[in-house]
Amino acid sequence: DAGVIQSPRHEVTEMGQEVTLRCKPISGHNSLFWYRQTMMRGLELLIYFNNNVPIDDSGMPEDRFSAKMPNASFSTLKIQPSEPRDSAVYFCASRAGRTNEKLFFGSGTQLSVL
Amino acid sequence: SQKIEQNSEALNIQEGKTATLTCNYTNYSPAYLQWYRQDPGRGPVFLLLIRENEKEKRKERLKVTFDTTLKQSLFHITASQPADSATYLCALSDNFNKFYFGSGTKLNVKP
Repeated sequence: DAGVIQSPRHEVTEMGQEVTLRCKPISGHNSLFWYRQTMMRGLELLIYFNNNVPIDDSGMPEDRFSAKMPNASFSTLKIQPSEPRDSAVYFCASRAGRTNEKLFFGSGTQLSVL
Repeated sequence: SQKIEQNSEALNIQEGKTATLTCNYTNYSPAYLQWYRQDPGRGPVFLLLIRENEKEKRKERLKVTFDTTLKQSLFHITASQPADSATYLCALSDNFNKFYFGSGTKLNVKP
């Protein structure tokens, strides 16, 4: 099993540009989570999906952030327009079922907005 | 809102000793508490889960305790090895949907 796959691993962009982060969950997992990690705030939950449906997006910082899961094997997190304060490591995680305890994380996308 | 506190200072110990990490929380009554390990440049990796009705759980050299009265979990690594050096995160959940993570404690095990 390849695990959770995120791309790109690193993204450097200029303020105001659109950024799209991608995630492929583990096959067969039906829950997907997007987290953001910074030194100041630690690991924060942005949004999670069950069976491709967004369940809770209360952690999305503002309307500049949007997430989609068009099918069970792919999700995107988009920031438009990006700002320097969005710089962080963004993690995607998947889980086998609604009551399964383990989260499996990808290696993350290091985003730098200049 | 819930607050999860882990010691932000790194824990430095000698190989072979027992490492003990602390996770304290407030404004929350989690049903489950998990511990994850995170290496530089990688995502967190699940280690152990303990439920609110369990006081202790063990897995090989790892032991976790959960005191819902003190609102605290302790994470122990016995016979620590340099390969155990990493950042350890605790995560709380009440229904397996939302997981709230602490900021983690960095452990350095010196040979």
